[in-house]
Amino acid sequence: NAGVIQTPRHKVTGKGQEATLWCEPISGHSAVFWYRQTIVQGLEFLTYFRNQAPIDDSGMPKERFSAQMPNQSHSTLKIQSTQPQDSAVYLCASSLDGGNYAEQFFGPGTRLTVL
Amino acid sequence: GDSVTQTEGQVALSEEDFLTIHCNYSASGYPALFWYVQYPGEGPQFLFRASRDKEKGSSRGFEATYNKETTSFHLQKASVQESDSAVYYCALGDLVGDNSKLIWGLGTSLVVNP
Repeated sequence: NAGVIQTPRHKVTGKGQEATLWCEPISGHSAVFWYRQTIVQGLEFLTYFRNQAPIDDSGMPKERFSAQMPNQSHSTLKIQSTQPQDSAVYLCASSLDGGNYAEQFFGPGTRLTVL
Repeated sequence: GDSVTQTEGQVALSEEDFLTIHCNYSASGYPALFWYVQYPGEGPQFLFRASRDKEKGSSRGFEATYNKETTSFHLQKASVQESDSAVYYCALGDLVGDNSKLIWGLGTSLVVNP
């Protein structure tokens, strides 16, 4: 069991460029979550998929952020026209069934730096 | 909306000291409560959870008891080790409909000196 895999581990973009972050959940897990972590705001929920269907994207900044899960083995988080305030560690997690009491397994995160 | 408050931003202890990290929550309904631990360069790791009043969760010598009356889930360990140095997060499971996102506290950085 390789755990949740996130690539790249580090990404540096210029202001206004696009960034795509990848997540491979643990095989057999049906729920995938995206969180953002910063020193100031801490851990913030972004979006959640269950069985590849988007369930809740209430934490996503509406204009430039989008997430997809085209198949059960990977999810992507895309940020268009990146801004310095998007700099953060983006964490992906998966859980077996996405239930309210389910343990979430986290990847190591992608550190995004927007210059 | 639901929220989690961790009182201590940083705690510094010596090995074998007793640890308490305070966690209080505000939520409608009856949320599940969690503790996660995060080491540098890694994502958070699940420690344990509790889902009903008076239930005790525990793992690796850490424990916490769900207290609905005081809306608390304080983390304790009787004797800390240097290897326990990490950031500890209290979280609650959002019970709105079928949603299971986690609402996080700001974290408590624990430094244990040898």
